[in-house]
Amino acid sequence: QSALTQPASVSGSPGQSITISCTGTSSDVGGYNYVSWYQQHPGKAPKLMIYDVSIRPSGVPDRFSGSKSGNTASLTISGLQAEDEADYYCSSYTRSSTPVFGTGTKVTVL
Amino acid sequence: EVQLVESGGGLVQPGGSLRLSCAASGFTFSSYAMHWVRQAPGKGLEYVTVISSDGGSTYYANSVKGRFTISRDNSKNTLYLQMGSLRAEDTAVYYCARDRCSGGSCYAIGVWGQGTLVTVSS
Repeated sequence: QSALTQPASVSGSPGQSITISCTGTSSDVGGYNYVSWYQQHPGKAPKLMIYDVSIRPSGVPDRFSGSKSGNTASLTISGLQAEDEADYYCSSYTRSSTPVFGTGTKVTVL
Repeated sequence: EVQLVESGGGLVQPGGSLRLSCAASGFTFSSYAMHWVRQAPGKGLEYVTVISSDGGSTYYANSVKGRFTISRDNSKNTLYLQMGSLRAEDTAVYYCARDRCSGGSCYAIGVWGQGTLVTVSS
């Protein structure tokens, strides 16, 4: 149940696009289409942004998109906005029947 | 309004026990798998445990297996986490969370509580 690997930080200017990677193994990310992404602002509870690799829940802006290739999933934020500055965590179902989270990525809007 | 409210956190000595509760409202509690996720101060999210909608199935992270027990009372719309043999590394905010969809688990968390802080220290 090792944490999935994410970059510690990613930054971009308003209006730009950024991509956050989430690398696992064939026992988690690569083996199932159950990757989700969560946004967490300081002092707040996480919020679901993407589930089942690429599906946005109702109310999540369409500038957030998800994808997967092999053992790596990705979250792309297009048209970066100031309110997107937050921590982002990926998560995947695993062969051991419990999900595992990523190490987390701090997104900074320059 | 869908709401999850945790309680029971606090300061406990190493080796001690604590029971967290999570009161659910605004949805049919008995239809959803429920989760506990924790976050150590300044650290990332860590999955702790999940229980099926009827309480018949549970799964635990290796870090808490044998020490923590998840349970639920569907008649009271309440989720529990019994924590024992607590260690300093169990210090964290503990979030109660609801699965994204009803029925079986959808392997994503759709609703989160605000969390309760557990501090393990002498």
